[in-house]
Amino acid sequence: AQRVTQPEKLLSVFKGAPVELKCNYSYSGSPELFWYVQYSRQRLQLLLRHISRESIKGFTADLNKGETSFHLKKPFAQEEDSAMYYCALRHNFNKFYFGSGTKLNVKP
Amino acid sequence: DAGVIQSPRHEVTEMGQEVTLRCKPISGHDYLFWYRQTMMRGLELLIYFNNNVPIDDSGMPEDRFSAKMPNASFSTLKIQPSEPRDSAVYFCASSYRSGDSGANVLTFGAGSRLTVL
Repeated sequence: AQRVTQPEKLLSVFKGAPVELKCNYSYSGSPELFWYVQYSRQRLQLLLRHISRESIKGFTADLNKGETSFHLKKPFAQEEDSAMYYCALRHNFNKFYFGSGTKLNVKP
Repeated sequence: DAGVIQSPRHEVTEMGQEVTLRCKPISGHDYLFWYRQTMMRGLELLIYFNNNVPIDDSGMPEDRFSAKMPNASFSTLKIQPSEPRDSAVYFCASSYRSGDSGANVLTFGAGSRLTVL
């Protein structure tokens, strides 16, 4: 079965510290993975997708098929990064499965 | 475009009452998804439509839940009768088909926060 696991419900770091939000998946085919972010009082929105291989707001994520992981990383966290982050997997072109989310709290 | 529009934003009701949540997708988007968000389970896919046709409703928790999409610009999610465990934020999202690769990235509405007392 397709599954996305985010093991941490809450992650607290200090401003300027590196941050890594973990995401593991189980999928029998070739996965397409995304990170979505929900800032306070805002809508859930796409942060980045693995096929784009881009850096958005300083965040990057690399698909590691060997470890079935798609961890989200940023070398220096900012207070404005505080938000809820969801890892998502697209299945059969149309179904998007989301993890349970990780709340990132960046302390000043 | 105003994006995906959901109503109501907040709903407080009593157990046993019927609840109807509404969604207007982005014009031109041919996929519509209903998700439920809870602290324990995160975002769960309930059902999705393609060209107004329900494609997969395997995530609908039980018969008390039903969803319709009578036209390309409107969808409803109905809970009848409602129960306290249905309390959650319900999100609608829409997307469009990108070539042969199926639904593109999702655009979410602001959500409808449901509280069943």
